[in-house]
Amino acid sequence: DAGVTQSPTHLIKTRGQQVTLRCSPKSGHDTVSWYQQALGQGPQFIFQYYEEEERQRGNFPDRFSGHQFPNYSSELNVNALLLGDSALYLCASSLPSGLFTEAFFGQGTRLTVV
Amino acid sequence: AQRVTQPEKLLSVFKGAPVELKCNYSYSGSPELFWYVQYSRQRLQLLLRHISRESIKGFTADLNKGETSFHLKKPFAQEEDSAMYYCALNPEKLTFGTGTRLTIIP
Repeated sequence: DAGVTQSPTHLIKTRGQQVTLRCSPKSGHDTVSWYQQALGQGPQFIFQYYEEEERQRGNFPDRFSGHQFPNYSSELNVNALLLGDSALYLCASSLPSGLFTEAFFGQGTRLTVV
Repeated sequence: AQRVTQPEKLLSVFKGAPVELKCNYSYSGSPELFWYVQYSRQRLQLLLRHISRESIKGFTADLNKGETSFHLKKPFAQEEDSAMYYCALNPEKLTFGTGTRLTIIP
């Protein structure tokens, strides 16, 4: 099992452009969460997808949107990129909530907006 | 709103000395707390969770609801403990602290 895989690993975009990041969850997991980690900060929760629907959302603008496919993989889309969107974007997969839910993280996608 | 505070950005400890990484939280409900660790060039991974009350790699953490704390402790530091440590709250939408970089001095 390759665990959680994310693509691409690095990306450079220009301000105002749009970007799509991809995530394949760990085998057997059906819940995918996305986090933004700015330099020197802890990961911040963006949103979570389960059964192809957004189940929870953090404090991020509508420019951040997502999708989950029937095979549980997920995409994070960011429109109208700002310089402040430069960060490491982490995907985590898990089973639906329960006492021993554990989030497994990918290696992340480093997004640089210039 | 839920919040996790890790007051120390950096912590250096000699090998063999005790380690304590501090974590305080703010949460109106019944908290579920975790410690995640990131070793150099590796992905973020779960170290331990309060609900299982287990010791992982010699680390323990006790949830103190009165002090709203979940400090991570190890009696004797080892060089391989050098890493970035994050305290986190609520498994449904994990809220992380800013992290503490622990360096073990040989």
